Amino acid sequence: GDSVTQTEGLVTLTKGLPVMLNCTYQTTYSPFLFWYVQHLNEAPKLLLKSSTDNKRTEHQGFYATLHKSSSSFHLQKSSVQLSDSALYFCALGTGGYKVVFGSGTRLLVSP
Amino acid sequence: NSKVIQTPRYLVKGQGQKAKMRCIPEKGHPVVFWYQQNKNNEFKFLINFQNQEVLQQIDMTEKRFSAECPSNSPCSLEIQSSEAGDSALYLCASSRQGNQAPLFGEGTRLSVL
Repeated sequence: GDSVTQTEGLVTLTKGLPVMLNCTYQTTYSPFLFWYVQHLNEAPKLLLKSSTDNKRTEHQGFYATLHKSSSSFHLQKSSVQLSDSALYFCALGTGGYKVVFGSGTRLLVSP
Repeated sequence: NSKVIQTPRYLVKGQGQKAKMRCIPEKGHPVVFWYQQNKNNEFKFLINFQNQEVLQQIDMTEKRFSAECPSNSPCSLEIQSSEAGDSALYLCASSRQGNQAPLFGEGTRLSVL
């Protein structure tokens, strides 16, 4: 079945450093990939989305590129801020009205 | 602002009690999802609808959980007989199409004592 793998459960970084959160997926359908961010006691909010192979998508300083050849959609930012501390979820939609989520990565940014 | 409205925000029930939560999807979004987010922050898909029709649901949902999305009324998710393991954040989300990113509500946090 469809699945999403996020390998890091927790990433801790100092403010100003770059970050990459890994996301790989498995599906036999044409994939739609999403990154959501969830701050404490808030709703998950859409950060990025893509269904186009090899095209970089950006929002709020975060960026990701869908690579169908490697089934990946890694999230990156060149310089993290304290306010980026949150849970990040990668999710996969396949057009079948079911969106599958990864296990999430908690990003902690220290001063 | 686009919004999915979930009520109540918090729900406390004893074991064996019914627990019911409601969701008003974003206007123009015919697809509604329910997810359970556990204490480890993992998402478990429960059920989804397109308009009033159930599209998919997991086994757990079929046995103790019931859900509906009647026309002109909020969608609802009800646990017939709550168990301690049901304590979680229940998230409702809606989208315009099945392959579009769902828009989430803030969730109902259920505590089963």
